Amino acid sequence: ETGVTQTPRHLVMGMTNKKSLKCEQHLGHNAMYWYKQSAKKPLELMFVYNFKEQTENNSVPSRFSPECPNSSHLFLHLHTLQPEDSALYLCASSQDSWGLYTFGSGTRLTVV
Amino acid sequence: GQQVMQIPQYQHVQEGEDFTTYCNSSTTLSNIQWYKQRPGGHPVFLIQLVKSGEVKKQKRLTFQFGEAKKNSSLHITATQTTDVGTYFCAGLNTNAGKSTFGDGTTLTVKP
Repeated sequence: ETGVTQTPRHLVMGMTNKKSLKCEQHLGHNAMYWYKQSAKKPLELMFVYNFKEQTENNSVPSRFSPECPNSSHLFLHLHTLQPEDSALYLCASSQDSWGLYTFGSGTRLTVV
Repeated sequence: GQQVMQIPQYQHVQEGEDFTTYCNSSTTLSNIQWYKQRPGGHPVFLIQLVKSGEVKKQKRLTFQFGEAKKNSSLHITATQTTDVGTYFCAGLNTNAGKSTFGDGTTLTVKP
């Protein structure tokens, strides 16, 4: 248990489905992040939230929609994804926007 | 924008050999962090370096921060099979207000 909990751990979805990934932390951190990690590829920053406000959107397609209702929870809403969106989606948190990062175990997403 | 480059991308070593990964930033960093991701796992924080020229050790791992605070290295002495994984550096540029991860170095160790 890292202190950052992601659910579900695995998800298989069709291209027409709508699903959501959930991330929860009770570390008292103020910043939360979504990263995408594809096979043999580096960590790709998707979104950054600071004190519930989105501070960075790294040119992410609109089929990914983040939501941060409070400092402890972060969601990633998915709709009409493509097979190339299959990847490990990692949530992380940090005390402030400058690291140190605590990562969740990730959601392994497969789009069929 | 800030770029953080890591080399090599992959390293295959025989158990007992040493291993080094290098991290280079295009801008001066406030600090640098190192993370390890085991196969099938998630990145886990190892250490943070803040001072120019700083050297820290964790058992067989030695971390260095360059004098100019633009580069860093992680050296593993006498690798073991438990060292396999991908090692990431993350450099903080306070002017940019964020940390940037390097692409990682994936280490495999042959027993």
